[in-house]
Amino acid sequence: DGGITQSPKYLFRKEGQNVTLSCEQNLNHDAMYWYRQDPGQGLRLIYYSQIVNDFQKGDIAEGYSVSREKKESFPLTVTSAQKNPTAFYLCASRTSGVARETQYFGPGTRLLVL
Amino acid sequence: AQKVTQAQTEISVVEKEDVTLDCVYETRDTTYYLFWYKQPPSGELVFLIRRNSFDEQNEISGRYSWNFQKSTSSFNFTITASQVVDSAVYFCALSDSNSGYSTLTFGKGTMLLVSP
Repeated sequence: DGGITQSPKYLFRKEGQNVTLSCEQNLNHDAMYWYRQDPGQGLRLIYYSQIVNDFQKGDIAEGYSVSREKKESFPLTVTSAQKNPTAFYLCASRTSGVARETQYFGPGTRLLVL
Repeated sequence: AQKVTQAQTEISVVEKEDVTLDCVYETRDTTYYLFWYKQPPSGELVFLIRRNSFDEQNEISGRYSWNFQKSTSSFNFTITASQVVDSAVYFCALSDSNSGYSTLTFGKGTMLLVSP
């Protein structure tokens, strides 16, 4: 089945540790996104990528890093520089180059700090 | 700057009541796209509708309907005869031409609670 998968569903981070969240899609979409969701804050864009080997910072990129080596994959690393990483992280993808196209979302990863 | 306002933080209704979720947006673009997503307790955002700025026709899909009014910069969402399964957080979003329409600005969401 076509879709977006995120793993793990829950992730625990210790102080000073880097952790990586996985996002994979088999929809043949060019663009991929990472959002952070905090209670009452809606969705805030962390990073996005419109094509392989290229990505742009979103509104809250500090403390995060990404890579886009393959069209299907867009992993997000939460670094030790992110002092308040506890949140729900959502990955999305869409067809690039067409303004009207819709973003579709994965099931999310909940990150908790130990 | 783009902005999406969902003034209703939480709405509680009893099953079979009709409910309207408000969305007001701000943009300087003449061409833009508006979206509604549903986030059930499981967490995944589910796409409901996309509307472009040139099409002001209202749309109905089963118990769902959307009212787009450019004059008031609003894109409201009505659920008729609500059901418990409609309980979720609903987000309104606006495309951003600064990124070539590649990114979205989201409102903070409205939590809808439908009780039996």
